[in-house]
Amino acid sequence: EAGVAQSPRYKIIEKRQSVAFWCNPISGHATLYWYQQILGQGPKLLIQFQNNGVVDDSQLPKDRFSAERLKGVDSTLKIQPAKLEDSAVYLCASSLEWAGSNYGYTFGSGTRLTVV
Amino acid sequence: QKEVEQDPGPLSVPEGAIVSLNCTYSNSAFQYFMWYRQYSRKGPELLMYTYSSGNKEDGRFTAQVDKSSKYISLFIRDSQPSDSATYLCATALYNQGGKLIFGQGTELSVKP
Repeated sequence: EAGVAQSPRYKIIEKRQSVAFWCNPISGHATLYWYQQILGQGPKLLIQFQNNGVVDDSQLPKDRFSAERLKGVDSTLKIQPAKLEDSAVYLCASSLEWAGSNYGYTFGSGTRLTVV
Repeated sequence: QKEVEQDPGPLSVPEGAIVSLNCTYSNSAFQYFMWYRQYSRKGPELLMYTYSSGNKEDGRFTAQVDKSSKYISLFIRDSQPSDSATYLCATALYNQGGKLIFGQGTELSVKP
């Protein structure tokens, strides 16, 4: 099966600019996650969608970050305006459903954002 | 206090060595424990999954969970240069709908 597709792979922007990342999950996967991974740290959940509804966005900085998953398939994460501390890899992941028996997330390769 | 603590390393071992990677966690309610492997410029991939306490073995990899001491371990036997990667431990609660809480990762290098 095809994996989780993310684009772009790399992005360099100046602070205060806006940027958007795109994710296409594995076909049929109802649950989609966006994680932020700062260099030298583990991934941190930003937002979780179940189909096109938000399950958890408690750690999303809503003053500057927004995300949507229209039609319950692909998703877009936007940052506006960007800050230097937003420099990180943004990982998208998907799973069939949340199932306690197997945390079979599939992660994409991520978008590496550098804010200068 | 971080919810999951992991020694970032880096850890360098010779090929064939036994590798021990460890994490501690603070919330005794965590029920699910995972190890992910992340190669450079790639996303994490699930390596091992354990529910509650106990051991799980898969080939050269063994995962252990000791809930009494809130300790998670991953052992790699006969390590290979292809095992060189960052290893991330992760935990989850059943009632948090799939949210994973990661340690910061341990960078492992296996030298030929």
